[in-house]
Amino acid sequence: QSALTQPPSASGSPGQSVTISCTGTSSDVGGYNYVSWYQQHPGQAPKLMIYEVNKRPSGVPDRFSGSKSGNTASLTVSGLQAEDEADYYCSSFASRSLVFGGGTKLTVL
Amino acid sequence: EVQLVESGGGLVEPGGSLRLSCAASGFTFTTAWMIWVRQAPGQGLEWVGRIKSKADGGTADYATPLNGRFTISRDDSRNTLDLQMDSLKNEDTAVYYCTWQKGGNPYSWGQGTLVTVSS
Repeated sequence: QSALTQPPSASGSPGQSVTISCTGTSSDVGGYNYVSWYQQHPGQAPKLMIYEVNKRPSGVPDRFSGSKSGNTASLTVSGLQAEDEADYYCSSFASRSLVFGGGTKLTVL
Repeated sequence: EVQLVESGGGLVEPGGSLRLSCAASGFTFTTAWMIWVRQAPGQGLEWVGRIKSKADGGTADYATPLNGRFTISRDDSRNTLDLQMDSLKNEDTAVYYCTWQKGGNPYSWGQGTLVTVSS
């Protein structure tokens, strides 16, 4: 199963919005509404930010939102804050596996 | 509160074996699908494999590149998940995370355990 495609980097100034894309195929992203997004700060375990394309777990700010169109899912972070600077990974359920994106380093300028 | 606590990591020589364990609490383990994910130093996340609940067959699927070297098992009586790793290679060096699958993907994560394969 090939990895999902994410841009290696993204950036924005405090208060701005940034969107990170995650492109797969009809066998993963496009075939299921099971896309998740994770935030990972250095030295820490990944933290779930979005699941099932656009649902937020309890405690995740509503500045984080997810969407999907065809084979591409997106994570939007609105009102950027310094603490949002981290690596972000997408993942998608596939029939007998799970695939991750390569990760996007989000920099808050 | 969901808790996943991995153990068993350490230093092992190439060709050796290691068994990781994950103690789960705070959710109904018997009905949970569980996933192992790993992350090599400075690299991204990589799916290792998944085991279904007994009610859903209890079978496991693995990442193709592992070529049958890893085996996932579960003990529902003790709420534990294991990862048996054989014929270890240098490239298996990584932090290994135990996760609870919900909505098709990892929902809750442990803190990870480091496996270093080196002579």
